[in-house]
Amino acid sequence: DAKTTQPPSMDCAEGRAANLPCNHSTISGNEYVYWYRQIHSQGPQYIIHGLKNNETNEMASLIITEDRKSSTLILPHATLRDTAVYYCIVKWNYGGSQGNLIFGKGTKLSVKP
Amino acid sequence: GAVVSQHPSRVICKSGTSVKIECRSLDFQATTMFWYRQFPKQSLMLMATSNEGSKATYEQGVEKDKFLINHASLTLSTLTVTSAHPEDSSFYICSAREIGGSYEQYFGPGTRLTVT
Repeated sequence: DAKTTQPPSMDCAEGRAANLPCNHSTISGNEYVYWYRQIHSQGPQYIIHGLKNNETNEMASLIITEDRKSSTLILPHATLRDTAVYYCIVKWNYGGSQGNLIFGKGTKLSVKP
Repeated sequence: GAVVSQHPSRVICKSGTSVKIECRSLDFQATTMFWYRQFPKQSLMLMATSNEGSKATYEQGVEKDKFLINHASLTLSTLTVTSAHPEDSSFYICSAREIGGSYEQYFGPGTRLTVT
C-alpha cells in the first residue's frame, strides 16, 4: 500500500507557482521522499528527492517539514507542459524491496492558460 | 544519460497468442529491472522485480506462468505475456536501477498492448 496521501487533482494558472502537497505521516527515519510525474501515455519521469533538508534542482523545489510528516513539491513557474500526474513516494534509498517505487494515485495537475 | 528503451512501443495481438516486450538500459548497467502495469485512469502497479541471472520476484496476485520475465544480461529484460486475453490489454512500463549508483530507478516510455 502507498504510504502517502495526495489530493486527487489541482489546477494552476500558467506562469504561476504550483504547490503540490503530500502527507506521509508514517515515514520512517531511513525513508526518502521522492517525486515523479507521468505525462499522459508516457513513462514516469523523476523530479526530485530528499531526506530531511529542502532540495532544489532545475525542475522543482522540495520542501519537507521538520517532523518529516509532510512535504510540498513546488514548480516555480508552471507551464502547459507541466500538466501531468504527480506522484509522491516514500522509500528506502538502497536496493531491495524496501527500495522499490510503489505508486499511489498521485495528484493530477492541470495547468491552464 | 540513464535512458531506458522499450520495444515495441505499441502492439496488437490476437487472443491466445504470446507477445514479448523488451526493456533495455542504453547507457548504464542495471542490477535490477522492474515491470509495471497500468490500466486506464489508474496508477502504476508493480508486477515483478528481476535481478540479472536470477528468477524474477512477482508481486502478490501476478501469475508468474502467464507473465514470463527474463533478465539475461545487465542491459536487457524481457516480459512475455503468454496466452494473452483481452483483459491483459494494458500499458506495460519497465524501469531499471543502476549498478552502484544512487539506486535511482529510470523508466522506459511504456508499451501499449491491445489484445483482440
